[in-house]
Amino acid sequence: KNEVEQSPQNLTAQEEEFITINCSYSVGISALHWLQQHPGGGIVSLFMLSSGKKKHGRLIATINIQEKHSSLHITASHPRDSAVYICAVYTDKLIFGTGTRLQVFP
Amino acid sequence: DARVTQTPRHKVTEMGQEVTMRCQPILGHNTVFWYRQTMMQGLELLAYFRNRAPLDDSGMPKDRFSAEMPDATLATLKIQPSEPRDSAVYFCASGLVRDGVSAVNEKLFFGSGTQLSVL
Repeated sequence: KNEVEQSPQNLTAQEEEFITINCSYSVGISALHWLQQHPGGGIVSLFMLSSGKKKHGRLIATINIQEKHSSLHITASHPRDSAVYICAVYTDKLIFGTGTRLQVFP
Repeated sequence: DARVTQTPRHKVTEMGQEVTMRCQPILGHNTVFWYRQTMMQGLELLAYFRNRAPLDDSGMPKDRFSAEMPDATLATLKIQPSEPRDSAVYFCASGLVRDGVSAVNEKLFFGSGTQLSVL
C-alpha cells in the first residue's frame, strides 16, 4: 500500500463544476504540498499546508492532521485547470501520491 | 521572477555514456531536491541537500548515480554509466527550510526538468 493515496486517479468535469481531489496518507508528516503539473511537464507548487485551510483564487486546500487527509478544491473550474494534481507529504523527505489527472471540458 | 534553472532540457545519449544534469536553485534557498519522473513510477525522490550537505540519497542507485552541490548556486546529478532504464524526466526543486528540524515551510519551486533518453 502506498503511503500517500490520491483519489480519484482520473477526473473529467464540465466547465464551472466544483471539483474535489482527495489525498490520504499513512505516515506522520510535518507538511503537505499540492502540486500541479501541466501537459509539457512543468511542476508548480500550489500550496504548502501544515494545518487548516488555504485559499488562492479559485483553489482551496484543506488538511485534517488527525484524520491524515487533505483535499484540494477547485471552484468554477475552467479548461485551463486541466492538469495532473499531485499531493506530496513531507516527513524527513517528500513522498508523492500518484496524481489525479483532471480534464475540464468547455 | 526567481526560478530554478535546469540544464540541459533534453538529453539523448547511448547506453554506457556519462550524463551530467545541472540545477541552479533559487538564490537564498537552502534545500535542494532531485526527483525522477517516469510513467510507471511517477515522481520519486533521488536525493536532497540542506545547506549543501547531502541529507538523503537513499533513492539513488549508488553504483551509478551521484549527486553533489559544489557550491550554493549549483547542484549536479551524474549518471555513469547510463542505462536505458534511466530514461525519465529529472526534476530539481529548491525550497527554504526555516525550522532546522523538519518542515519545508515554504513552497517548493521546480525546474522545468531534464528529459533524458538513454538508447
